Amino acid sequence: AAGVIQSPRHLIKEKRETATLKCYPIPRHDTVYWYQQGPGQDPQFLISFYEKMQSDKGSIPDRFSAQQFSDYHSELNMSSLELGDSALYFCASRVTRRNTEAFFGQGTRLTVV
Amino acid sequence: AQTVTQSQPEMSVQEAETVTLSCTYDTSENNYYLFWYKQPPSRQMILVIRQEAYKQQNATENRFSVNFQKAAKSFSLKISDSQLGDTAMYFCAFMKPDYYGGSQGNLIFGKGTKLSVKP
Repeated sequence: AAGVIQSPRHLIKEKRETATLKCYPIPRHDTVYWYQQGPGQDPQFLISFYEKMQSDKGSIPDRFSAQQFSDYHSELNMSSLELGDSALYFCASRVTRRNTEAFFGQGTRLTVV
Repeated sequence: AQTVTQSQPEMSVQEAETVTLSCTYDTSENNYYLFWYKQPPSRQMILVIRQEAYKQQNATENRFSVNFQKAAKSFSLKISDSQLGDTAMYFCAFMKPDYYGGSQGNLIFGKGTKLSVKP
């Protein structure tokens, strides 16, 4: 079965650079979520999209933005990177109306040096 | 706002034995969903089990079962016949139902319990 695909799997950036993370949800899933998991931390909700429209925002810094495209893939754009942005970034997708569980991608490990 | 508390940062169990991980939560909602996710060293987030709050029957998935006490807002995970592959971080998570793509549907996680299964 198809799973949530995230790319790249690993990314190393320098401070003040920009990073773009991509997420391809499971086909026919209408909602995408982004989470940030710092070292030794629990995942924190950043932002979500339902049918290509932003549906909710969590603790997402102003330096970050995200969007969902017509093919339902989503991108998380991160600018002016800081050392504290080093984390594992998960994308998850689900079918909203069925209230099913969210399926997670394997994550993108971002290291800011 | 909802909160999820896992009071056991670390636990260990001998292979083939049974272990119970605790989770409590706070919410004013009457209808919601609870999950246990497993995060092995690969860091993949894997769903272990889910429970709908409106169902009184405790969910089970093979060696995994829950003890859901709605009034007490408690949701513990029991792992029977523990295996080495169960070694992982376990996260308890809360979700409000989201029928129309609104401001619910995102997961609120506890801090996690690191489980080590020893041979």
